[in-house]
Amino acid sequence: TQLLEQSPQFLSIQEGENLTVYCNSSSVFSSLQWYRQEPGEGPVLLVTVVTGGEVKKLKRLTFQFGDARKDSSLHITAAQPGDTGLYLCAVRGNQFYFGTGTSLTVIP
Amino acid sequence: NAGVTQTPKFQVLKTGQSMTLQCAQDMNHNSMYWYRQDPGMGLRLIYYSASEGTTDKGEVPNGYNVSRLNKREFSLRLESAAPSQTSVYFCASRVEGMRTEAFFGQGTRLTVV
Repeated sequence: TQLLEQSPQFLSIQEGENLTVYCNSSSVFSSLQWYRQEPGEGPVLLVTVVTGGEVKKLKRLTFQFGDARKDSSLHITAAQPGDTGLYLCAVRGNQFYFGTGTSLTVIP
Repeated sequence: NAGVTQTPKFQVLKTGQSMTLQCAQDMNHNSMYWYRQDPGMGLRLIYYSASEGTTDKGEVPNGYNVSRLNKREFSLRLESAAPSQTSVYFCASRVEGMRTEAFFGQGTRLTVV
């Protein structure tokens, strides 16, 4: 089992739809990061959340850290084809761990 | 403006062959990491190095060795490649700390036949 489980694993939606992806763990973390990875590239940082219950917005993307700091969600409003990619959550525990990933495809 | 540079980008090996994946960063980061990426598994940590001269095992270290040659360079060696090591390998670096960003190379796509 992995430290961070993400769901769903795959998501294919039409342009303009809304979606939410989740990152869950049984462990408590002092902070959590979200990265996006495009095909053929390495992941790139989107946001870091540090406080339980914190909500951060990045244009059409809304990130929330769970109150107990064990989980996080990413909500995308009115998805665009440019949002297509692999979304990964990551935490700094004893080392630096990534989740299992959600592969998002937005169809024009 | 290089960031993290990995070589090679693609490699095909026969079972039992050895090879070394190279990684260099020019951001003066202390921490460097090697991950492998397989479908549905996200990124799994193979080894990491918190500073020059130190290395530690990650989640999936079996079949790999690493060397932190200096602050800039962190190499990953496969001594006897197996088909199960077919994967995309990523090197990353970051400033140590709870909230700092990890910077990645473009990856090495390795196929073992």
